[in-house]
Amino acid sequence: GDSVTQMEGPVTLSEEAFLTINCTYTATGYPSLFWYVQYPGEGLQLLLKATKADDKGSNKGFEATYRKETTSFHLEKGSVQVSDSVVYFCALLRGAGSYQLTFGKGTKLSVIP
Amino acid sequence: NAGVTQTPKFRVLKTGQSMTLLCAQDMNHEYMYWYRQDPGMGLRLIHYSVGEGTTAKGEVPDGYNVSRLKKQNFLLGLESAAPSQTSVYFCASSSGRDAVTGELFFGEGSRLTVL
Repeated sequence: GDSVTQMEGPVTLSEEAFLTINCTYTATGYPSLFWYVQYPGEGLQLLLKATKADDKGSNKGFEATYRKETTSFHLEKGSVQVSDSVVYFCALLRGAGSYQLTFGKGTKLSVIP
Repeated sequence: NAGVTQTPKFRVLKTGQSMTLLCAQDMNHEYMYWYRQDPGMGLRLIHYSVGEGTTAKGEVPDGYNVSRLKKQNFLLGLESAAPSQTSVYFCASSSGRDAVTGELFFGEGSRLTVL
């Protein structure tokens, strides 16, 4: 079945450091890929997405590129801020006719001033 | 803007008790979902619905039942609660187009503890 593997946290960085959170997937066909964020005490919110190979999703300074050859969708940000200290979830949606997102286990990021 | 509202937000049950979690959305979305979130496990889909009067099983449906009698509401029931059902439950919804593109709108969660 479909699965998403993301790096385990927590990840601790200093403010303005470069962020990479690795995400790899296993799925049949050509899934769409997503990064969601979860703020404390809240539900998840979509951060960015990519629907086909070589697409780059971007939002709020975060980027991720859909790499079919390595089945990866790593999240990056050039300079993190304290306000980026939340939990990040990688997810995939199998192709047409599927309505079920498959989530990774989540990576908690802590950014220290 | 209410979006997706879950009630109750917190509940403590004893083993064997029953309860219902209510999810209401005011966005006229067709698709609704119930997930559970456990430490180190991410989110796992319990049941989902692609329209009023329809429901389907997700990844971890055992011990739960659902109903979608009205388009805006999606109920999750536990008939006989077990400690293994201690979790945070999230409801989500999406429009037909958003379901295809993968954007779900989540409620704030309901924290359930079963003693």
